[in-house]
Amino acid sequence: QQPVQSPQAVILREGEDAVINCSSSKALYSVHWYRQKHGEAPVFLMILLKGGEQKGHEKISASFNEKKQQSSLYLTASQLSYSGTYFCGTVPFSGAGSYQLTFGKGTKLSVIP
Amino acid sequence: NAGVTQTPKFRILKIGQSMTLQCAQDMNHNYMYWYRQDPGMGLKLIYYSVGAGITDKGEVPNGYNVSRSTTEDFPLRLELAAPSQTSVYFCASSAQGVGNTEAFFGQGTRLTVV
Repeated sequence: QQPVQSPQAVILREGEDAVINCSSSKALYSVHWYRQKHGEAPVFLMILLKGGEQKGHEKISASFNEKKQQSSLYLTASQLSYSGTYFCGTVPFSGAGSYQLTFGKGTKLSVIP
Repeated sequence: NAGVTQTPKFRILKIGQSMTLQCAQDMNHNYMYWYRQDPGMGLKLIYYSVGAGITDKGEVPNGYNVSRSTTEDFPLRLELAAPSQTSVYFCASSAQGVGNTEAFFGQGTRLTVV
């Protein structure tokens, strides 16, 4: 079942912060986050494996609440380069060997000067 | 490293025609995947493979076939193309199952069926 992302779209001014949420009705093993720019391939941002673990690099980080099957992506001090569509992908709790990466419908983020 | 390479980048098919979308990776990954992306719908898994000679259906396999004779290549075959197969197709690969590791995507094939 497809995870639910919110919001569907968000417009930010440079320097503002944003949070993108992802929730699933299934027990999850891990959550992926990808960013896709128009006409390009999705690019991996991070993977979260443990409940409550927060990962990130530079000004983009994420958390994973294993008990609630929810993940959030945090973008701080947004830059123009952050514009794109963000997808969460969920892996059900069938283990590390799973092929089953199911994507949400995406959140379109637009950063304006 | 080229990563995941897809050909062609664009293609227009007439209804009822067939074609093969090519995908090759040079990372020696065992796991390979085919997704389709329709506007506003995210990516849907068509087929996947966990190694040469092993393939299985994903969420939306109808109208497609795959084969995996080598580790590097994972072609997707469309038989009797229909307008509903108009989409952008992405091939991806991962070193292990996606539970623990990232998926690398090719640049996509934009297919239009008219």
